[in-house]
Amino acid sequence: DQQVKQNSPSLSVQEGRISILNCDYTNSMFDYFLWYKKYPAEGPTFLISISSIKDKNEDGRFTVFLNKSAKHLSLHIVPSQPGDSAVYFCAASAASGTYKYIFGTGTRLKVLA
Amino acid sequence: NAGVTQTPKFRILKIGQSMTLQCAQDMNHNYMYWYRQDPGMGLKLIYYSVGAGITDKGEVPNGYNVSRSTTEDFPLRLELAAPSQTSVYFCASVTNTGELFFGEGSRLTVL
Repeated sequence: DQQVKQNSPSLSVQEGRISILNCDYTNSMFDYFLWYKKYPAEGPTFLISISSIKDKNEDGRFTVFLNKSAKHLSLHIVPSQPGDSAVYFCAASAASGTYKYIFGTGTRLKVLA
Repeated sequence: NAGVTQTPKFRILKIGQSMTLQCAQDMNHNYMYWYRQDPGMGLKLIYYSVGAGITDKGEVPNGYNVSRSTTEDFPLRLELAAPSQTSVYFCASVTNTGELFFGEGSRLTVL
């Protein structure tokens, strides 16, 4: 049972345009969400987070939107740069105090110069 | 530099062998985690610890054991390696703001 789903395995975007990565979840107890970026042969690095009390969080070129009724979140990258080419994972956790994050399967973003 | 250090980075094991993946963090984080990532899959939680002396199972604990004798160290033990344990293993700790901070990973192949 995949509680966190990233249905697009890959995405290609032209440099300078917007990249939109999507994530769906099934567990209504999830209340904190993270996005990670991963380059080959490296560990995932934290990008941006959002709490369920918000519907938007912005950090520079990265914005995360949360739609609780649809159990859907998205990561927007504007403008996209070639260095953004990586695998992006979304992760979710419930307010259990243990930070047991459940990860999606990832979306490989390729930004074309 | 402060962070999460994993050793070894690469290891090849024969079926039935045992080994320990080491993980150390110098950020004084209480919460630590072991994840594995298989090709085309997300990260699956193996075990986690909320502090020294306290460990608990995650999504895929079978075939693994952990211990947490100090705040800094969280080793992952494979007792009888199987081909299904071929994966990339990531150790992480949780920051004060609730995000996972990952090590660089340990790539394990079981032949």
